[in-house]
Amino acid sequence: KAGVTQTPRYLIKTRGQQVTLSCSPISGHRSVSWYQQTPGQGLQFLFEYFSETQRNKGNFPGRFSGRQFSNSRSEMNVSTLELGDSALYLCASSVAGTVNTEAFFGQGTRLTVV
Amino acid sequence: DAKTTQPPSMDCAEGRAANLPCNHSTISGNEYVYWYRQIHSQGPQYIIHGLKNNETNEMASLIITEDRKSSTLILPHATLRDTAVYYCIVKYTGTASKLTFGTGTRLQVTL
Repeated sequence: KAGVTQTPRYLIKTRGQQVTLSCSPISGHRSVSWYQQTPGQGLQFLFEYFSETQRNKGNFPGRFSGRQFSNSRSEMNVSTLELGDSALYLCASSVAGTVNTEAFFGQGTRLTVV
Repeated sequence: DAKTTQPPSMDCAEGRAANLPCNHSTISGNEYVYWYRQIHSQGPQYIIHGLKNNETNEMASLIITEDRKSSTLILPHATLRDTAVYYCIVKYTGTASKLTFGTGTRLQVTL
C-alpha cells in the first residue's frame, strides 16, 4: 500500500511569509504527527492529531499550527516565517496512535527561508 | 519519557553483525524501547520495539537486559545500505504517538 505522502518536497519562502505543508497518511491510519528536524536541534516533535483533534503538542511557538481533516489528511502551517524555521518537516502516521504501534514517516518537506 | 544514551558513532564491516547499545537506566515499568533509523535525507524508519522480552523481526533483533536499564540492537549481517543514524527511544504509554528523539548513533558500514 502507499506510504505517507508529503507535499511539496521542497519549498523556498521569504522571511515574514507563511507556508502550508500537507501530509497524506497511510490509508486507515488515524493518527498524524509532525516533526521538525534541524542540524542544531535534531528531530523535535511539533504536534499530533487524531480524529481531527490535536492530542499532543510540543514546545513550539504559536506560529506553528496544524489541522486534520475527516479523511485523516493533515496540514501544518507556519506563519511569519523566520530564518530559523528552515528545516526538514516530517510527518508520521500510525494506526491509532497507541503505544504498541509503530509510526511510518514520509520523506519530508525541506523548507528554506531566505 | 526516560532519557536514553547512545554512542555518537560506530563502524562495522559489511557482513558482520552490528551491535548498537543504548542505555536507559531511568526506564519505568510501562515504558517500551523503540528503535528507528534514518538514512541520509529520508524520513525515519521503524525497526523494532520491545518491553521486557527479546524481540526479533526480519530486520533486527532487540536484546533488553533483565533489569531493563539497557538494550542492544543487533543487525545480524550489516550491509552498506544499513549506514544510517540509529535512534533508541523510550516511550511511555501515555504519550500516544509522540517520539522523543535523542542524537542517536551514526553507524558507518564499510567494505
